[in-house]
Amino acid sequence: GAGVSQTPSNKVTEKGKYVELRCDPISGHTALYWYRQSLGQGPEFLIYFQGTGAADDSGLPNDRFFAVRPEGSVSTLKIQRTERGDSAVYLCASSPSGTGAYNEQFFGPGTRLTVL
Amino acid sequence: QQQVKQSPQSLIVQKGGISIINCAYENTAFDYFPWYQQFPGKGPALLIAIRPDVSEKKEGRFTISFNKSAKQFSLHIMDSQPGDSATYFCAARFGNTGKLIFGQGTTLQVKP
Repeated sequence: GAGVSQTPSNKVTEKGKYVELRCDPISGHTALYWYRQSLGQGPEFLIYFQGTGAADDSGLPNDRFFAVRPEGSVSTLKIQRTERGDSAVYLCASSPSGTGAYNEQFFGPGTRLTVL
Repeated sequence: QQQVKQSPQSLIVQKGGISIINCAYENTAFDYFPWYQQFPGKGPALLIAIRPDVSEKKEGRFTISFNKSAKQFSLHIMDSQPGDSATYFCAARFGNTGKLIFGQGTTLQVKP
C-alpha cells in the first residue's frame, strides 16, 4: 500500500477483555514501531521491531502487552485483560531500516481504543 | 533523562505572523531531532528534521534552530497560515534503536 495502515480504526471493548490491533507497514520497511498516544499528550514509545524480532520492548507498560511480527511485515499488538487506563490511540510507524541515515518514521492513522 | 520538554502548550497567531515553539532535552544520546505535525484523527507526519551538528535548517516557511550546548531547539513557522493550524510535536531519536521521544505537543491556531 501507499502508506502505513492500521485496523481497526476504532475499537471499543469492556474491561478485562482481550484485544488485537493490526499494523501493515510500508512495503519493504524493515523497522516497525508501536507508540501509544493518550489524549492531549505526545506519542509514547512501546516497542521496536527490526525484521521479525523485537529489538527494544522497553516501553511496554506491563506483561499484559505483547506484540509480534512473525514474517517481518504485518505486526499485531495484543493487550490482555484490558483496563480503562489502556484507553488511548495506538500508533504504528515504519521506516526503511530504523537506525542510521536518519530514517524517517512514517506513521499510520492509529487505532483508537476505548475500554469501558 | 529521556524527557523532551516542549512549550508553549498552545499558541494563537494571526495570519502572516511567526509561530515559535521551543523544546529542550537532557540526554546526549539523541542523534536526530524531528518535528511532526498532526491533524485531528490523523497520525503524526514529519515536517522537518535536524542533526545535532547543524545549527539551523530551513525548508520553505519552516525553520529549525538548534543550540547543542544549551540542549534546546525550536521551530519557527514564518508567514503562518490558517492551514498550519494543527498540533506540533518535537521529538528526539535514540540512534541505536531509532525510537523517538516526543514532547508534550503544542496546539497552534492561526487566525485569518
